[in-house]
Amino acid sequence: GDSVTQMEGPVTLSEEAFLTINCTYTATGYPSLFWYVQYPGEGLQLLLKATKADDKGSNKGFEATYRKETTSFHLEKGSVQVSDSAVYFCALSDSQGGSEKLVFGKGTKLTVNP
Amino acid sequence: GAVVSQHPSWVICKSGTSVKIECRSLDFQATTMFWYRQFPKQSLMLMATSNEGSKATYEQGVEKDKFLINHASLTLSTLTVTSAHPEDSSFYICSARAFPNYGYTFGSGTRLTVV
Repeated sequence: GDSVTQMEGPVTLSEEAFLTINCTYTATGYPSLFWYVQYPGEGLQLLLKATKADDKGSNKGFEATYRKETTSFHLEKGSVQVSDSAVYFCALSDSQGGSEKLVFGKGTKLTVNP
Repeated sequence: GAVVSQHPSWVICKSGTSVKIECRSLDFQATTMFWYRQFPKQSLMLMATSNEGSKATYEQGVEKDKFLINHASLTLSTLTVTSAHPEDSSFYICSARAFPNYGYTFGSGTRLTVV
């Protein structure tokens, strides 16, 4: 079945450091890929998405490129801020796989220190 | 933008009682709603998928008699945890989407504590 493997955390960085959170996937069809962010005690917010190979999703300084050849969708940000501290989830939706549900990775907790 | 309201945001109940959690799409009609459970420091586990007017589809291992899901209208789905026990304590999150290939919008979650 479809699955998402995400870099284990927690990740602790200093403000203005470069961030990479790795994400790879397996899917039977041609999935759409997502990054969601969860702040403490809250639900999930869509951070960015990509629906086909070589697409780049971007938002709030975060970027991720859909790499079909490596089945990856790594999240990057050039300069993190304290306000970026949260849990980040990589996810896929594979409608051609017969289901429209989202499959999530285990999440990576990011802490950014001043 | 699309907004999903989930209520209550937290609830404490006694063992053996039932608790209902509501999920409402405020500015769109949700043809499909999803219910997730999140354990501490873990990912979201999909419990069930519900389509308006039809029975929910439960994931393997989820007790349908314990977690009752109703999707009676295009803007409301409810999850009822029946005869709750301490092991049901968790963070429950709903998600809704208007159409296939449309975006998923998440509620803010409900923290359930069973004492």
